[in-house]
Amino acid sequence: QSVLTQPPSTSGTPGQRVTISCSGSSSNIGNNYVYWYQQFPGTAPKLLIYRNNQRPSGVPDRFSGSKSGTSASLAISGLRSEDEADYYCAAWDDSLSGRVFGGGTKLTVL
Amino acid sequence: EVHLVESGGGLVQPGGSLRLSCAASGFIFSDHYMDWVRQAPGKGLEWVGRSKNKADSYTTEYAASVKGRFTISRDDSKKSVYLQMNSLKTEDTAVYYCTRAISETTRAMGYWGQGTLVTVSS
Repeated sequence: QSVLTQPPSTSGTPGQRVTISCSGSSSNIGNNYVYWYQQFPGTAPKLLIYRNNQRPSGVPDRFSGSKSGTSASLAISGLRSEDEADYYCAAWDDSLSGRVFGGGTKLTVL
Repeated sequence: EVHLVESGGGLVQPGGSLRLSCAASGFIFSDHYMDWVRQAPGKGLEWVGRSKNKADSYTTEYAASVKGRFTISRDDSKKSVYLQMNSLKTEDTAVYYCTRAISETTRAMGYWGQGTLVTVSS
């Protein structure tokens, strides 16, 4: 059972816009930054979004993050087949004094 | 260029010990926090713990699931961070990644090693 809650799966068609939600509490998302990671099978995760909505250099602007209260979202616009991957949200948790992750969302591009 | 390489994984029996290493290059090692994150087969990501940097006195922090069993240490002269794992359980089976933030102001884990697999089984 992950501290942050994500839907296990989602899907979309090429060109579509999809969003992935991440729900937490006041001790994590509500009071700290949210991060998003993309992971392909057999590879290390890649940082997509940091500080709620900032993109590291090299991440396309098709990826965007937002946060409201104790929830956050990752949006992917202009969906491409190469976006098919697992996506994880993360935040620091003040009560646990540690980083916490969502359970991950598998994105399928139909 | 930042480069992280983990080593030391393998098969160990329940109750046993293992020490993982992460060799870093391409940056001033003592300036950075170093985290360990693991991923059980077919499962999600789990933060294991971290070693803070020299400025923050190399303080370590751990996830509740490993506290008291795992110890993170570092040797700045060797640009390496270590994860000593004792009293291993089958549920510790995972790929273990060493990570570094893209900058110390963001604490965003942007650099990852390739991971090393630890299998705890009799």
